[in-house]
Amino acid sequence: GAVVSQHPSRVICKSGTSVKIECRSLDFQATTMFWYRQFPKQSLMLMATSNEGSKATYEQGVEKDKFLINHASLTLSTLTVTSAHPEDSSFYICSATGFEAFFGQGTRLTVV
Amino acid sequence: DQQVKQNSPSLSVQEGRISILNCDYTNSMFDYFLWYKKYPAEGPTFLISISSIKDKNEDGRFTVFLNKSAKHLSLHIVPSQPGDSAVYFCAASGEYNNNDMRFGAGTRLTVKP
Repeated sequence: GAVVSQHPSRVICKSGTSVKIECRSLDFQATTMFWYRQFPKQSLMLMATSNEGSKATYEQGVEKDKFLINHASLTLSTLTVTSAHPEDSSFYICSATGFEAFFGQGTRLTVV
Repeated sequence: DQQVKQNSPSLSVQEGRISILNCDYTNSMFDYFLWYKKYPAEGPTFLISISSIKDKNEDGRFTVFLNKSAKHLSLHIVPSQPGDSAVYFCAASGEYNNNDMRFGAGTRLTVKP
């Protein structure tokens, strides 16, 4: 069964609103969580790395004020897309790492 | 519903030999497949991909084979090196669902010196 739960799996929001995506490790402690954005027919683009209790490390070109990441506990990390625009529409995936590593099921965000 | 399956959670291979990692998928609508590699404490990184119009893609020591009729792909590493020890994930996507990727659970490869 899934050990990393990502929610929601699909979300449609209006331009200008904010959307929060959750990534939970269900039966292990995730010391590090990675957030990716996937473009069609391309590999994953790492957006940021977050360690529990500390600020996320963002990759170059990723706006930290637009993509807010919180990793408040060893089992939960959230990605908030603030003031979403249509160009933010994409598939977002988290990966939780402890002793092992697993991917979430992904979130398809559509901004209209 | 697990659409991408890696049935072997672990694999151990001697240095210099071939490593073969397997992946099965259930959805015939997938048309793009990828392999990712993950070291401890790091995020997964892209390794190699293959489109469904091909049955083989080679990049140095890494070759991915795709058998569409069997819905099966495999990653061959030849020759295996201790530095290849990592967790390998296969992923699949298709235009039917916006090309959103589905990942397998991963296979831990250990290459012994």
